[in-house]
Amino acid sequence: GENVEQHPSTLSVQEGDSAVIKCTYSDSASNYFPWYKQELGKRPQLIIDIRSNVGEKKDQRIAVTLNKTAKHFSLHITETQPEDSAVYFCAASTGGGADGLTFGKGTHLIIQP
Amino acid sequence: NAGVMQNPRHLVRRRGQEARLRCSPMKGHSHVYWYRQLPEEGLKFMVYLQKENIIDESGMPKERFSAEFPKEGPSILRIQQVVRGDSAAYFCASSPMYSDTQYFGPGTRLTVL
Repeated sequence: GENVEQHPSTLSVQEGDSAVIKCTYSDSASNYFPWYKQELGKRPQLIIDIRSNVGEKKDQRIAVTLNKTAKHFSLHITETQPEDSAVYFCAASTGGGADGLTFGKGTHLIIQP
Repeated sequence: NAGVMQNPRHLVRRRGQEARLRCSPMKGHSHVYWYRQLPEEGLKFMVYLQKENIIDESGMPKERFSAEFPKEGPSILRIQQVVRGDSAAYFCASSPMYSDTQYFGPGTRLTVL
């Protein structure tokens, strides 16, 4: 089955700096890669996703890049703000609603004022 | 348009009792997924259901756990004879047919005494 590795487990950055979180996956059949943000005690919320026919996607301060050959994808957050502090999870699936998501173990992002 | 609903939000059971967790998908969504999240860990896929059908239960423990999504009413995750190791947050997610995007409910936090 699919295996998703996520690094780092904790990331501390100064407010206003950029943050990068990286994930690798094992199953070449995976073609859907969402990122979720989870605040303490809350539900995971989808912040951005990318499909395998696209190499990069941006939404304001958030971007995701995908390298299918190397089987890795990354989340980039620019101009970080205190409200970006949370746990971020990457995930992978074959897409089309055909299966469940395989999640990484999460990155605790801390924005230092 | 109400989001994914789960109840109860918190559930306390003694060892050996049964736990029933309910999930109502978003309106128009026909797919339901259940995930388990242990403290300080990522989400682990358990089961994927469509109305009256279990599509993929590869993440479900072989014993004591069962899930259903009847024609009418919410999806139910049932845990029989609970043990302390079942203590976790259980999230369900829903998606429309043929869609990758999964929307999560607020979760049920199960505590086994």
